Amino acid sequence: QVQLQESGPGLVKPSETLTLTCTVSGGSISSNYWSWIRQPPGKGLEWIGYIYYSGSTNYNPSLKSRVTISGDTSKNQFSLRLSSVTAADTAVYYCARVMITFGGIIGFGMDVWGQGTTVTVSS
Amino acid sequence: QSVMTQPPSASGTPGQRVTISCSGSRSNIGSNFVYWYQQLPGTAPKLLIYRNNQRPSGVPDRFSGSKSGTSASLAISGLRSEDEADYYCAAWDGGLSGPVFGGGTKLTVL
Repeated sequence: QVQLQESGPGLVKPSETLTLTCTVSGGSISSNYWSWIRQPPGKGLEWIGYIYYSGSTNYNPSLKSRVTISGDTSKNQFSLRLSSVTAADTAVYYCARVMITFGGIIGFGMDVWGQGTTVTVSS
Repeated sequence: QSVMTQPPSASGTPGQRVTISCSGSRSNIGSNFVYWYQQLPGTAPKLLIYRNNQRPSGVPDRFSGSKSGTSASLAISGLRSEDEADYYCAAWDGGLSGPVFGGGTKLTVL
């Protein structure tokens, strides 16, 4: 059974770079797409981006200039870097496994989620 | 403001059937699969419905999904107190070239 666990600092200063890691257990990252999603306090879900094990990525256009998602198959982990953070980036950050279907009808669903990690941006 | 629109709240009494709507556009719901997530208080979202109307293993058949045109619906029959949660719809958006979520619906079991 695949399980995901986010890790990283809970507090980041404004203008600095937020870095989180998602460790995958019970399965290999070399067989799926993987995604980051966030949820500001009291608000809804926002997709950040995804990575395929080959290294190809896709990011939310609203965050694209500040986001980098990378993978490490040797550690079975993938990571999120978000630069130049502000208070608006304060949120619970989730990593998730993606069920994706490309073709005439596209399917993008996240079937396994980490428990989430809270990141606060404050000086 | 979300690309897909859900009512902010819904409610029902135990045993009732409730429906949550999700309104999108041709670029998302109108041309791609719809997914539904349940988020219990203080927990991570859980996949409830995939590919419009399919239930993952372990999801009770009280939960069902449907899609028509640019709208989708989640129906919960035989409402139970443990169904009290936030529900989100999601779909791939061709304009964004990525997935989008609805704003979420808070379901209260009275």
